[in-house]
Amino acid sequence: SQKIEQNSEALNIQEGKTATLTCNYTNYSPAYLQWYRQDPGRGPVFLLLIRENEKEKRKERLKVTFDTTLKQSLFHITASQPADSATYLCALERRDDKIIFGKGTRLHILP
Amino acid sequence: DAGVIQSPRHEVTEMGQEVTLRCKPISGHDYLFWYRQTMMRGLELLIYFNNNVPIDDSGMPEDRFSAKMPNASFSTLKIQPSEPRDSAVYFCASYANTGELFFGEGSRLTVL
Repeated sequence: SQKIEQNSEALNIQEGKTATLTCNYTNYSPAYLQWYRQDPGRGPVFLLLIRENEKEKRKERLKVTFDTTLKQSLFHITASQPADSATYLCALERRDDKIIFGKGTRLHILP
Repeated sequence: DAGVIQSPRHEVTEMGQEVTLRCKPISGHDYLFWYRQTMMRGLELLIYFNNNVPIDDSGMPEDRFSAKMPNASFSTLKIQPSEPRDSAVYFCASYANTGELFFGEGSRLTVL
């Protein structure tokens, strides 16, 4: 069955350091991989999308990599700030536009 | 645009009652997704529509769940009869084939 795993349920990072979150998947052939941010009591908010033929995508302090051989994506937040504390969700989109999510990683940036 | 609008935001009901959740997608978006989120299972895809037609309902847990999209601006998710294990936050999201899902704020359902 299709499975998406995000490396840990929770991650504590010191302010100013780089936070790295991992998303691994099996039995799935995504055309796109997406990352979302979710704050408590709110719906997820889109951050970045990377296509299967792209290796890396950047947006301000965010960087995403996508390795279709390893079936893995890494999500980096550089110069992390307490305001970056949230749950981050990895999502895979197939060519038929079906989009499924991992369970998320709760990121805590410690001041 | 006001974004994706869901109602009710909170619903508390008793086991066996019918529950109807509503969603208004962003105008012009031709895809609509229904997800359910719990601590245990994360964000699960229940069903999604393209141009008001259900494309994949394999995530609908059982026959007690049904979803409709009578027109491009409205969708419902119905649970009849409801059970305590249906307690979750239900999200609706719309999508314009640009790769970005826009989520509503969710409907928190508690079944006693």
